[in-house]
Amino acid sequence: GAVVSQHPSWVICKSGTSVKIECRSLDFQATTMFWYRQFPKQSLMLMATSNEGSKATYEQGVEKDKFLINHASLTLSTLTVTSAHPEDSSFYICSASKGRFDEQYFGPGTRLTVT
Amino acid sequence: KNEVEQSPQNLTAQEGEFITINCSYSVGISALHWLQQHPGGGIVSLFMLSSGKKKHGRLIATINIQEKHSSLHITASHPRDSAVYICAVDTSGSRLTFGEGTQLTVNP
Repeated sequence: GAVVSQHPSWVICKSGTSVKIECRSLDFQATTMFWYRQFPKQSLMLMATSNEGSKATYEQGVEKDKFLINHASLTLSTLTVTSAHPEDSSFYICSASKGRFDEQYFGPGTRLTVT
Repeated sequence: KNEVEQSPQNLTAQEGEFITINCSYSVGISALHWLQQHPGGGIVSLFMLSSGKKKHGRLIATINIQEKHSSLHITASHPRDSAVYICAVDTSGSRLTFGEGTQLTVNP
């Protein structure tokens, strides 16, 4: 149980285009979902926290107009990277939890390359 | 100084060896997580603990809240244990702060 999927697993896009990444909890309802970014040889950095039905809370330094997060249902959250630039190339990982203080279950990640 | 520090950064062991990875943190936490990240990037949650000790198979995690320190032990290590092990602390409402990870390589 407690499986989280992400789609796509990897994506290559051209600079200036937008990319949407989906995060789904497959066998549980996720009240809270988290989006992380990981650059090569670095640790994960929390980008934003989203609760179903409400606006996401972004970490300091993360542009909310560039990284659009929608947590429309208890099983789906999406991250849209708008007007992507090469510096947005990274590994994006989501996690989901049943409640705010519950264990987080991580998705397999999405590798984004912007050319 | 990072809020979460792990040691060692890199660790190479022979199959069968007992392995210890350490994590020290400098902030108040509600829980500490040990995660495993495989070369492909996928992350698996190994343990979430707030006190004492937990065991799952060959893995043991301990935490000392007073000393702000946790250890992850792997008994009878195997090449398939090769991965990056990450310590993360929950500082407020599931907001995790991550250590930089320990790259473990277990040679046959």
